[in-house]
Amino acid sequence: QKEVEQNSGPLSVPEGAIASLNCTYSDRGSQSFFWYRQYSGKSPELIMSIYSNGDKEDGRFTAQLNKASQYVSLLIRDSQPSDSATYLCAVKGGGNKLTFGTGTQLKVEL
Amino acid sequence: GAVVSQHPSWVICKSGTSVKIECRSLDFQATTMFWYRQFPKQSLMLMATSNEGSKATYEQGVEKDKFLINHASLTLSTLTVTSAHPEDSSFYICSAPVKLYEQYFGPGTRLTVT
Repeated sequence: QKEVEQNSGPLSVPEGAIASLNCTYSDRGSQSFFWYRQYSGKSPELIMSIYSNGDKEDGRFTAQLNKASQYVSLLIRDSQPSDSATYLCAVKGGGNKLTFGTGTQLKVEL
Repeated sequence: GAVVSQHPSWVICKSGTSVKIECRSLDFQATTMFWYRQFPKQSLMLMATSNEGSKATYEQGVEKDKFLINHASLTLSTLTVTSAHPEDSSFYICSAPVKLYEQYFGPGTRLTVT
């Protein structure tokens, strides 16, 4: 069983819609969770971190965490073509190590 | 915000030669840095944890004699790929933790071994 799982996509949404990206993790003791955006050929860029159950909003982005269900999600409101990228879910383990999911490719269509 | 730089951004080398990649934290000190490798269409795989002033910690399956890591100062870690082979061609990315475990990534180094 993979430690961090994501649907690889592609997830296609029309411009202006809400994109919903999901991630599950296997280590019930995990406490810190991150969403990174990676454009093709570039390195990952941190867009959200979340540590407590519930929602955390930052601009058009909302991260949701449910530790009981071992589930993290990222909502992108008013999706723009510039949001088209691969979104990586990461979970912090011991020694500050991050374990990444395989990423979900998001395509925002005009 | 925190900035991590890498040099070079891309490199082409011949099989059997060694290549050194530098990772620098530009506006903060990093006692720990991480080195990742990413193959096309795949996710990031952690190779090793670079520790300032001590030996690096390698992930299972990563050859420490092939991927030499040195973290000689609080702002610089280097990864040397020794005796490179075509299968070592990949995107190598470093990262450093800043606040509350948030890691910031360098721009990456694309290595092509011919």
